[in-house]
Amino acid sequence: SQQGEEDPQALSIQEGENATMNCSYKTSINNLQWYRQNSGRGLVHLILIRSNEREKHSGRLRVTLDTSKKSSSLLITASRAADTASYFCATDVLSGGGADGLTFGKGTHLIIQP
Amino acid sequence: DTAVSQTPKYLVTQMGNDKSIKCEQNLGHDTMYWYKQDSKKFLKIMFSYNNKELIINETVPNRFSPKSPDKAHLNLHINSLELGDSAVYFCASSQLRQGAGGYTFGSGTRLTVV
Repeated sequence: SQQGEEDPQALSIQEGENATMNCSYKTSINNLQWYRQNSGRGLVHLILIRSNEREKHSGRLRVTLDTSKKSSSLLITASRAADTASYFCATDVLSGGGADGLTFGKGTHLIIQP
Repeated sequence: DTAVSQTPKYLVTQMGNDKSIKCEQNLGHDTMYWYKQDSKKFLKIMFSYNNKELIINETVPNRFSPKSPDKAHLNLHINSLELGDSAVYFCASSQLRQGAGGYTFGSGTRLTVV
């Protein structure tokens, strides 16, 4: 079954504003990752946050993780038109053997209006 | 150099045909995956291989058969194609395990069954 649920499903903001997307998941995880997918393209890894981390930054991206609430958020600051894409959270769950792959949420479609 | 490359990029074929999608990674990763993205952009893992050994085989019809001749290649063969197989198929690789890092995805193969 699906692990992650992103919220909102779609978000439209003006260029320069901040965009916040949320993700909830169901089971214990090893790490949580965020990916971007431009229309008609593959997924690009943005950032990974481990289960023992609470916040992580990478350029204009800020990710938080609350394992007690099983939720994560992705903040994109000072958005640009090029940030228009679908954003997915994905969980890497704890397992004995590894190689279980990622479980993806449904994604948030972000539109940056110029 | 492309890290994860899959071919073909587009594949249009008739119902009942057999087709293959090839994937190669030059990252030296141990684990490779096949994901299916449906028309609603939902991504679901199909298979994972670790060092040529099948690790995950999700509930996928046995018309789908992965083959890994070596750890840099993971091909997907589909027999007796059906309309419902139309989707975008992504190959991915990772260095595993337990929080090792993000996954690298190929650019996808858009399969259309007519």
